[in-house]
Parts: sequence; structure tokens; C-alpha cells
Amino acid sequence: QSALTQPASVSGSPGQSITISCTGTSSDVGGYNYVSWYQQHPGKAPKLMIYEVSNRPSGVPDRFSGSKSGNTASLTISGLQAEDEADYYCSSYTSSSTVVFGGGTKLTVL
Amino acid sequence: EVQLVESGGGLVKPGGSLRLSCAASGFTFSSYSMNWVRQAPGKGLEWVSSISSSSSYIYYADSVKGRFTISRDNAKNSLYLQMNSLRAEDTAVYYCARDPVAGTGAFDIWGQGTMVTVSS
Repeated sequence: QSALTQPASVSGSPGQSITISCTGTSSDVGGYNYVSWYQQHPGKAPKLMIYEVSNRPSGVPDRFSGSKSGNTASLTISGLQAEDEADYYCSSYTSSSTVVFGGGTKLTVL
Repeated sequence: EVQLVESGGGLVKPGGSLRLSCAASGFTFSSYSMNWVRQAPGKGLEWVSSISSSSSYIYYADSVKGRFTISRDNAKNSLYLQMNSLRAEDTAVYYCARDPVAGTGAFDIWGQGTMVTVSS
């Protein structure tokens, strides 16, 4: 149950686009279309932003999008806004019927 | 309002035990798989355990297997986590989370968390 690999930090200016990667194995990310992305602001509970690789829950802006290629999933945020500054986590269902999270990525809006 | 509220956290000595509770409201609790996820201070999220709607399927992270027990009482709309043989590395905020599509790991509703501190 090794954690998925995410970059520790990414940054971008307002209006720009950024992409956060999430790398796993064929036993998790690559084996299932069950990748989710969460946003977490300091001191708050995580919020589901993307599920099943590319689906957005109701209320999540369409600036947030997800994709997957092989063992790597990606979260793209377009038209960056100040309120997007937060920690982002990916997660995946695994072949052991468990869930594994990524280590998290801190997004800084410059 | 759909809501999850955790309770039961606190300070416990290494080797001790603690039972966390999660009270659900605003949705049909008995229809959903539920999970516990924890976050150590300043660290990332770690999935801990899941339980299916009827308690038929239960899974644990290797880090807690044999020490933690997840359970639920659908009549009381409540989820539990019995934590035994606690270690310093179990210190974390513990969240309960709803999984609307069992097994996908897409947790759409989270509680506010309850802090567990394991220290002598």
C-alpha cells in the first residue's frame, strides 16, 4: 500500500492553468477508472473535486478537470483563482479493495 | 442537511485504547459504504478502513490491521472505530467519510474530524 506519487508543490499566476500529476501502478491508478481528487484548505476537511478520473460532483467549477494515461492521473485547474490555493490529494481504488492516497500537492497562486 | 459528526477523540497513552464514533444525518445511512481516513499533523491523508452498507465487507490499511476494528449500527445511523494497542504514529485527525459508490474511493461527504493524540 505505497502512497501514490504527487509533486510536493506547484504554483501558477491567476488566470493561468496548472496540472498536478498522480503516479501509481497497474494495481491502482492504471488498473481502475477509480481515481479521485480532493481539495483541502488549512484546518478544513477535504472536498471531493473529481471522481472516476474525470467526473465533477455538482457544484465543482468546470475549471477543474481530470484525466488518466496509463499509471498516471492528472488534475488540471484552468483560469486559476486565489481561492484555488490549497492542498490537493489524489486517491485510487486498489486491487486489494483498499484505497490509497497520494502524498499531496501544495498549490500556490502567485 | 447531509452531515457527519465525529466524536471520541482525545489523549491516550501508548498501548491504550479509544473508540471513535461518527453520527450521520440527512441521508439514508444504511445505504452507503463508510470509511475512516486520518491525517497526522502536517502530513497527508491516509485511508484507514472501510465497511460496506450491511457490514458484509470490511477492509483495513496494513498499518492498522489487527489493532483497529470498524463497525456500524444502521439503526443508530452511526459508524465506529475501535482503536487498540495505540502507537505514537496513530496520532492524527480522524475523519469519517461517505462512499456513495461502494469501492470507488470517491468520498463525497466528510465529517469535521476528531483529534487523537497518543503520547505518554
